[in-house]
Amino acid sequence: EAGVVQSPRYKIIEKKQPVAFWCNPISGHNTLYWYRQNLGQGPELLIRYENEEAVDDSQLPKDRFSAERLKGVDSTLKIQPAELGDSAVYLCASSLEDRGAYSTDTQYFGPGTRLTVL
Amino acid sequence: AQKVTQAQTEISVVEKEDVTLDCVYETRDTTYYLFWYKQPPSGELVFLIRRNSFDEQNEISGRYSWNFQKSTSSFNFTITASQVVDSAVYFCALSYYTGTASKLTFGTGTRLQVTL
Repeated sequence: EAGVVQSPRYKIIEKKQPVAFWCNPISGHNTLYWYRQNLGQGPELLIRYENEEAVDDSQLPKDRFSAERLKGVDSTLKIQPAELGDSAVYLCASSLEDRGAYSTDTQYFGPGTRLTVL
Repeated sequence: AQKVTQAQTEISVVEKEDVTLDCVYETRDTTYYLFWYKQPPSGELVFLIRRNSFDEQNEISGRYSWNFQKSTSSFNFTITASQVVDSAVYFCALSYYTGTASKLTFGTGTRLQVTL
């Protein structure tokens, strides 16, 4: 079974430029997550999708970040314009579903996109 | 507040040594899940184990073992007879319910360096 696929793996851009990351989750996984991981830190959630619906985007800086998950499968995360502080690894993860308080499905992560903003 | 603390920033061992990675968590919930992930230099977070708050049995998987103690809010990870391929950053994580969905919060990770 294929894992979570992300592209590109690396991206270097100048500040104020736009950038987009793509994620294809594990087949059959309804829940998709985007995380940002700063150097020396654990991942932090940016947004979570249940199928096509963004159900938790409270940590997404909405002035410059946007995301979409058309048809409830692939997802794209965009930054426009990028700032120096956006340099980080952007990780996508997926899980079967979120069953709330009574259970939690394991999240499986992709290889990430390492973004460098110059 | 939900929090995970991995006090060991970096550990260096020689191959074949045993090593324990500490994880201490904070939560007011009675139902929660704990995870360990491995992040090798390639960058991908690799799932290692999931444990729910009602199951305090220790688990062993090959050279890996986990010790879950609710009394001390700890979920420690031991690698027996470490190997160079074990070199990675290891993250402990806590999944808790926010009231609308479950959320995963990570510690800052422990970098393990295994040398020959």
